[in-house]
Amino acid sequence: SQTIHQWPATLVQPVGSPLSLECTVEGTSNPNLYWYRQAAGRGLQLLFYSVGIGQISSEVPQNLSASRPQDRQFILSSKKLLLSDSGFYLCAWSGARDTQYFGPGTRLTVL
Amino acid sequence: QKEVEQDPGPLSVPEGAIVSLNCTYSNSAFQYFMWYRQYSRKGPELLMYTYSSGNKEDGRFTAQVDKSSKYISLFIRDSQPSDSATYLCAMNLNYGGATNKLIFGTGTLLAVQP
Repeated sequence: SQTIHQWPATLVQPVGSPLSLECTVEGTSNPNLYWYRQAAGRGLQLLFYSVGIGQISSEVPQNLSASRPQDRQFILSSKKLLLSDSGFYLCAWSGARDTQYFGPGTRLTVL
Repeated sequence: QKEVEQDPGPLSVPEGAIVSLNCTYSNSAFQYFMWYRQYSRKGPELLMYTYSSGNKEDGRFTAQVDKSSKYISLFIRDSQPSDSATYLCAMNLNYGGATNKLIFGTGTLLAVQP
């Protein structure tokens, strides 16, 4: 069966510091991968998606970036965090003809 | 106008009640409809998905789609305190495919009181 991991589970970072969140999927190959941010009362916002290694599509302009160095690894990064980057970050995967399945999430607080 | 509208609640019901959760949408091209359940501080988990209009039942859960009204519902029978969570509806144009982008509602917070 497929499993999706995210780490860290929680993170507190000062404004202006860098960020690296990691997501890995087990039990499947060549998944589509997604990064979402969930803010209170605002639902899920799709940030990035990837259909393969090195292929990243950005949905919203921001100071975040994503990379996919391996088939089942997806990384969300920032060079300098803003207060507005606080939120619950979710990674998801889908197969070729399947809906999306979410990881446990990372709660980021920027102070 | 948002593509998907969902009442944020909170919705509080007594244990054993029938719960009705709803979403409306504006894009008549949506074909696939999903419901996710999200417990506090956890990732969403897929509950049910349906294609086009009609009903789909899974245990105590029934998903209903009315494309003519652009309205979807999730019914929970014999609700339990363990059903207390946020319920998110989601929909998209194509099931699967290269991008499979979903459009989500903002979620309804449900509390089932023992």
